[in-house]
Amino acid sequence: NAGVTQTPKFRILKIGQSMTLQCAQDMNHNYMYWYRQDPGMGLKLIYYSVGAGITDKGEVPNGYNVSRSTTEDFPLRLELAAPSQTSVYFCASGQTSGNTIYFGEGSWLTVV
Amino acid sequence: AQRVTQPEKLLSVFKGAPVELKCNYSYSGSPELFWYVQYSRQRLQLLLRHISRESIKGFTADLNKGETSFHLKKPFAQEEDSAMYYCALSMDTGRRALTFGSGTRLQVQP
Repeated sequence: NAGVTQTPKFRILKIGQSMTLQCAQDMNHNYMYWYRQDPGMGLKLIYYSVGAGITDKGEVPNGYNVSRSTTEDFPLRLELAAPSQTSVYFCASGQTSGNTIYFGEGSWLTVV
Repeated sequence: AQRVTQPEKLLSVFKGAPVELKCNYSYSGSPELFWYVQYSRQRLQLLLRHISRESIKGFTADLNKGETSFHLKKPFAQEEDSAMYYCALSMDTGRRALTFGSGTRLQVQP
């Protein structure tokens, strides 16, 4: 059972480059989330989605974009990478809001 | 705005000692509180939620609305309890994504 799958696991970007972090879940969950975790800090919500075609901003959305064309996939796009975006990114999914959510393994991103 | 505070970055105890990981929150509504755990080289996973009022791996947590706390407790720590523990809150209205604390690393020494 794959659960929540994130790719890539590690990536080094140069300032100004763009990339997409992929996230897929096979549990037919409506809710999906992107969090970032900076060293010594808690997870901060970037974007979330309550279903296909619906996305909304979280606490720290600047510099990111998302789309949700299918229930399964929730990619996170960085358009112009900045050093401040160096972080660990976690994708998660859940059946309904407030219930148990399931996390991916994380994607380590370094912007230099 | 809602906020979750975990005052200790690191808690080190000996095997068999009691453990209490502190969590305080600020939120004006009726939140749902969770503890998530991340063991070494594993993904973040749910440990317990206050609404279930259950004990998982010997851990319990009671929601104290008067003190706005949700401390995680275990009477006798085991070495396999060593991990990062995150307290999280889900609001009862509006956006219900989880708000996380900064986490506490628990080290259980032999």
